[in-house]
Amino acid sequence: AQRVTQPEKLLSVFKGAPVELKCNYSYSGSPELFWYVQYSRQRLQLLLRHISRESIKGFTADLNKGETSFHLKKPFAQEEDSAMYYCALLTDSWGKLQFGAGTQVVVTP
Amino acid sequence: NAGVTQTPKFRVLKTGQSMTLLCAQDMNHEYMYWYRQDPGMGLRLIHYSVGEGTTAKGEVPDGYNVSRLKKQNFLLGLESAAPSQTSVYFCASSYPRVPSGSTDTQYFGPGTRLTVL
Repeated sequence: AQRVTQPEKLLSVFKGAPVELKCNYSYSGSPELFWYVQYSRQRLQLLLRHISRESIKGFTADLNKGETSFHLKKPFAQEEDSAMYYCALLTDSWGKLQFGAGTQVVVTP
Repeated sequence: NAGVTQTPKFRVLKTGQSMTLLCAQDMNHEYMYWYRQDPGMGLRLIHYSVGEGTTAKGEVPDGYNVSRLKKQNFLLGLESAAPSQTSVYFCASSYPRVPSGSTDTQYFGPGTRLTVL
């Protein structure tokens, strides 16, 4: 069965501290994973995807097939990083996404 | 470009009433999706469409119907609203996957907050 698990509902960190959002997945095929972000009063938007191996706004995420994980990391959190973050798994060729429950990140000064 | 737009932004219904949510996109995307967002459950796919005139069920389709008569519009209908359908509804659209295997980004609308009393 396809599943995306984000174990942390809320992550509170201080500005300048490292932040790591956990994402684990269950998928029988070759996984394609994404992180989407929703800032307050804004629409959901793509943050990054594993296939691009890019760093966006200082965030990186590495796909670990052995641990079936796609954790999102940033070495120094900023107040503007406060948002809801969703990990998502592409489940078929029609672009259907399976989302995790989301992690609310709060960065305090 | 407006991207993906949704109307209305807010709505309060009484149990048993019906309504239609409209999603429109101006990016010429083939694929369109309707999700509902509930606390602690993330986004769950209700219905989706891979082209004009086609629709398919997602993860939680019961109680909803959809239509895609025009490529740019995707309508979500609630025939007889129930309190369990209180949620925030998001529409999204994307291009088809390309043969090279690159993945497509879904572009989301601003959401519709629906309350069913």
